[in-house]
Amino acid sequence: AQSVTQPDIHITVSEGASLELRCNYSYGATPYLFWYVQSPGQGLQLLLKYFSGDTLVQGIKGFEAEFKRSQSSFNLRKPSVHWSDAAEYFCAVGAKWGGATNKLIFGTGTLLAVQP
Amino acid sequence: GAGVSQSPSNKVTEKGKDVELRCDPISGHTALYWYRQSLGQGLEFLIYFQGNSAPDKSGLPSDRFSAERTGGSVSTLTIQRTQQEDSAVYLCASSLELAAEQYFGPGTRLTVT
Repeated sequence: AQSVTQPDIHITVSEGASLELRCNYSYGATPYLFWYVQSPGQGLQLLLKYFSGDTLVQGIKGFEAEFKRSQSSFNLRKPSVHWSDAAEYFCAVGAKWGGATNKLIFGTGTLLAVQP
Repeated sequence: GAGVSQSPSNKVTEKGKDVELRCDPISGHTALYWYRQSLGQGLEFLIYFQGNSAPDKSGLPSDRFSAERTGGSVSTLTIQRTQQEDSAVYLCASSLELAAEQYFGPGTRLTVT
């Protein structure tokens, strides 16, 4: 069955430090992959997506992610974290079954705290 | 342009009552999705609408849940005879077409007392 694993429930980094959030997926074909961010009391904002092509994708707010098929991973990175990046981050895979649905399967999320 | 909007933002209801949650997708988006976010279950898919095709209801947790989409735009998620386990944030998303990225609304926080 399709699934997404985010091994880190909670991460704390210092402002200005680099960041990597891990995401592993299980899917029978080349998946559509997404990272979303959720601030407290807010909906989900799309950071970046991978559909095909270049395996290193750039997103908003200085984030990037790399698709590694051999490792079934799609890790999110940022070279220098800002205090405003504190939020919960969700990795998701877009799944298709049968005719048409592109429902998203989400990981359990990683809560990022940023220390001054 | 305007994003996905949802109403109400918060809803408190008594156990056994029916509730309706509304979603206005981004104009021109043909696909509309409902998800539920709860502490115990995380983010889970509920139902999907695409154009005039039959909706994919495979994620609805029970027959107390139903949804409709009128005129290919606004959608309403209805929960009948609410239970405490229905307490969650209900998120709506829309996308321009099949397999495109989904844009989420701010959600409706439902509390069943």
